[in-house]
Amino acid sequence: AQKVTQAQTEISVVEKEDVTLDCVYETRDTTYYLFWYKQPPSGELVFLIRRNSFDEQNEISGRYSWNFQKSTSSFNFTITASQVVDSAVYFCALSPHFGNEKLTFGTGTRLTIIP
Amino acid sequence: GAVVSQHPSRVICKSGTSVKIECRSLDFQATTMFWYRQFPKQSLMLMATSNEGSKATYEQGVEKDKFLINHASLTLSTLTVTSAHPEDSSFYICSAGENGNTIYFGEGSWLTVV
Repeated sequence: AQKVTQAQTEISVVEKEDVTLDCVYETRDTTYYLFWYKQPPSGELVFLIRRNSFDEQNEISGRYSWNFQKSTSSFNFTITASQVVDSAVYFCALSPHFGNEKLTFGTGTRLTIIP
Repeated sequence: GAVVSQHPSRVICKSGTSVKIECRSLDFQATTMFWYRQFPKQSLMLMATSNEGSKATYEQGVEKDKFLINHASLTLSTLTVTSAHPEDSSFYICSAGENGNTIYFGEGSWLTVV
C-alpha cells in the first residue's frame, strides 16, 4: 500500500521568510512518481512538480525548490522569500510508475504567509 | 489553457435529487479517468477509476449505486450523485492522464445539497 505523510498541518510565516513543507512517503514499488500540488481557496489543483524515483537531483524553479531524498523517503518543498500569494494548501502525492495515474495524496499543509 | 474541463463548477441541489458532474479531456483521449472527493479542510480521497467502455472500479467504502460513473467516450466521464443528501456535499474533482503519468486535474465541482 502507498502512503504519503505531511506532518505539518498548518504553517504560518512572515512574508519574505523561507519555508519548507515536509513530505514523507511509503511505497513498495521500485519505481514511482512524486508530485506537489498547490490548492488555492478556489479549489483547483495547480501542478507544481513531478519527480521520477530514478531522478534524485534536486530541482529549483524560481523561488521553489525540491529536495528528494530516496534514502529517507522524503520529498520536501521549499519556498524562498515567501509572498502572500503563496498562501494555499499544498499537497504531496505519489503514483505508481507507468500507466496508472491514480494518486495517493497526503493530508496537505495549509500555508499562510503573513504580510 | 485547461486540458481537463469539469462542469459544473458549483451546483446546489435539493436533498433526494440527483446531480451529474462532467469531466472532459480536451485535445487528448483518456481511457482512464479518476474521481476524487474532498471534504472541507481534508485531503483528496480517490473514489473510483473510470474506465472507457467498461465498469468503473470503486475504492473500498464508496457506494457504487450512490455514485454512478459512466465513461462512454474517450473524452468524457460523468459522475452522478444519486438521491443526494446533505452529507454528500463536498468538492469533487476529476483527473486524467496523457501518455502515462502526465496527470491533469479538472477545475473541480462544489456540490451543496440542501
